[in-house]
Amino acid sequence: AQSVTQLGSHVSVSEGALVLLRCNYSSSVPPYLFWYVQYPNQGLQLLLKYTTGATLVKGINGFEAEFKKSETSFHLTKPSAHMSDAAEYFCAVIRGGGYQKVTFGTGTKLQVIP
Amino acid sequence: EAGVAQSPRYKIIEKRQSVAFWCNPISGHATLYWYQQILGQGPKLLIQFQNNGVVDDSQLPKDRFSAERLKGVDSTLKIQPAKLEDSAVYLCASSPAGQAPFYGYTFGSGTRLTVV
Repeated sequence: AQSVTQLGSHVSVSEGALVLLRCNYSSSVPPYLFWYVQYPNQGLQLLLKYTTGATLVKGINGFEAEFKKSETSFHLTKPSAHMSDAAEYFCAVIRGGGYQKVTFGTGTKLQVIP
Repeated sequence: EAGVAQSPRYKIIEKRQSVAFWCNPISGHATLYWYQQILGQGPKLLIQFQNNGVVDDSQLPKDRFSAERLKGVDSTLKIQPAKLEDSAVYLCASSPAGQAPFYGYTFGSGTRLTVV
């Protein structure tokens, strides 16, 4: 079975400060990992993904995440928060293989304080 | 390319009534998903189609929910009769066949259902 844990349902940062959203996963096989962002009243938009290869992946809007197998983590970071980053962020894991079933975390709502 | 289209955007119904949601995926995407997102939770997969066949409906409450994807293109999700706990956003997503791990999913904007 696979699961995703997002620490902190709400995170507040000041504009210009570092953004760090935490995600830990469990998977019996090498996972595919994703971060999605959801703005109010919209669907989910893919931010970035890890499949294989380089463990530091860069996404849209200046976000990046690092896959750390030893820590079973895939934390999302951005060096400097912008007001437009205020949204809800979801970590997701897909178990590879013939049937690709995705499991989403419960989400972290990011507030950016001016 | 056009995105995943969903309608309606909002729906308010009374409990025990029926409701239907429609989704048109990205052209050529063989795989279609319906998710339920309850406030404060992550999306939960209800059903996954590959073309017009069901791949996974293990979390679909089949006594009240049904879904179909005729001709392997657009899809409808129906709830009959609705309960208060069905209040949620219903998201449709699509992906090319077998490529979701590499490309992720493309989501529609969702239908927000309120059952009163």
